[in-house]
Amino acid sequence: ETGVTQSPTHLIKTRGQQVTLRCSSQSGHNTVSWYQQALGQGPQFIFQYYREEENGRGNFPPRFSGLQFPNYSSELNVNALELDDSALYLCASSPRVSHNEQFFGPGTRLTVL
Amino acid sequence: GENVEQHPSTLSVQEGDSAVIKCTYSDSASNYFPWYKQELGKGPQLIIDIRSNVGEKKDQRIAVTLNKTAKHFSLHITETQPEDSAVYFCAARSGAGSYQLTFGKGTKLSVIP
Repeated sequence: ETGVTQSPTHLIKTRGQQVTLRCSSQSGHNTVSWYQQALGQGPQFIFQYYREEENGRGNFPPRFSGLQFPNYSSELNVNALELDDSALYLCASSPRVSHNEQFFGPGTRLTVL
Repeated sequence: GENVEQHPSTLSVQEGDSAVIKCTYSDSASNYFPWYKQELGKGPQLIIDIRSNVGEKKDQRIAVTLNKTAKHFSLHITETQPEDSAVYFCAARSGAGSYQLTFGKGTKLSVIP
């Protein structure tokens, strides 16, 4: 059984640019959640996708957006990057939207210069 | 929204001793409380969890206790080993309809051989 995978592992962007991060959910999992983890902090919920629609959103501005595809993989897009967007971006999948456990991928380290 | 406080932020123990990490939560509707272990350069790994209808759960050297009245829960690791060294996060999931996890700020556990 393949776990959650994310790409790329590292990314460097400059302020004002746009970035797309990708996540493949664990086999059989139809729900994907995205989290932002700043250095030395716990992960913060960005949003969740279920059946290709956003199913809950944390306290993040609209320049953070996402997609979920029919194969349950997902993308996180961030427009107009700011220095404070530098963080580890984590994707977590669940077997179904009501399932408690969330299983995390290794994350994408984004650095904004 | 939910707020999770975690203590201590750092913890050093001798190999073989026990380690205890404590968390409090604010939303009385929260009903699921997982613990994650995060090693350097990796995503969080679910190590144990507890639901609100259970007071205690144990898995080999790891146990979690929950006090719903006081709104706090704790992670207990017995017979610590050097490979237990990592950052540990507690989290809480709010009631029905919201599947996001709210995390504490983490505890860096160092097990000294």
